[in-house]
Amino acid sequence: QVQLQESGPGLVKPSGTLSLTCDVSGGSISSRNWWSWVRQPPGKGLEWIGQIYHSGITDYNSSLKSRVTLSVDKSKNQFSLRLSSVTAADTAVYYCARVLESWYFDLWGRGTLVTVSS
Amino acid sequence: QSALTQPASVSASPGQSITISCTGTNSDIGAYNYVSWYQQNPDKAPKLIIFDVTKRPSGVSNRFSGSKSGNTASLTISGLQAEDEADYFCSSYTITTYVVFGGGTKLTVL
Repeated sequence: QVQLQESGPGLVKPSGTLSLTCDVSGGSISSRNWWSWVRQPPGKGLEWIGQIYHSGITDYNSSLKSRVTLSVDKSKNQFSLRLSSVTAADTAVYYCARVLESWYFDLWGRGTLVTVSS
Repeated sequence: QSALTQPASVSASPGQSITISCTGTNSDIGAYNYVSWYQQNPDKAPKLIIFDVTKRPSGVSNRFSGSKSGNTASLTISGLQAEDEADYFCSSYTITTYVVFGGGTKLTVL
């Protein structure tokens, strides 16, 4: 079955750029699904970051839109997140997830903690 | 975009039923039947338990049920079991920024 796995640096310096990748295994990223990023600051709730379709079409959370870029690499069956100008407030566990047609997340990666600190 | 409003915590004894509310606005819950619920155990990824307000994914116990009235969605868990102790989050499509989550509710099984 389809599985998702996040990867990337666990520590990013303030004002730097956070970069994460989500590997999709057991299925094709070109299936009729959207692929999303969700984050969760320690001890807090979930926040949707954005989503991407295999064609490259994207939707972003308006509160993060100016700093977020999502991309997809069909040859590697993976999609990626870049978040620029990070601050301590961006410290969180970042999850990648599959989005189905009525905006629910049926499949999640295990999550990766990214800490913003000098 | 403000998060959907959930109670911070609920508690009940095994065998009892509980209901967790999730209050939004007429731009999200009130306007669309795109409400979903997630169960999250400590240090684990969220797990989908309800979608499209009332539907259960395959493999989710029928002790979990969802409903909606106006701008408020609800998750009911009947016949509480110790394994149900977890955090629960609601989510809805919203015309303003696509997806909004609730702040989460910690369920304690006494």
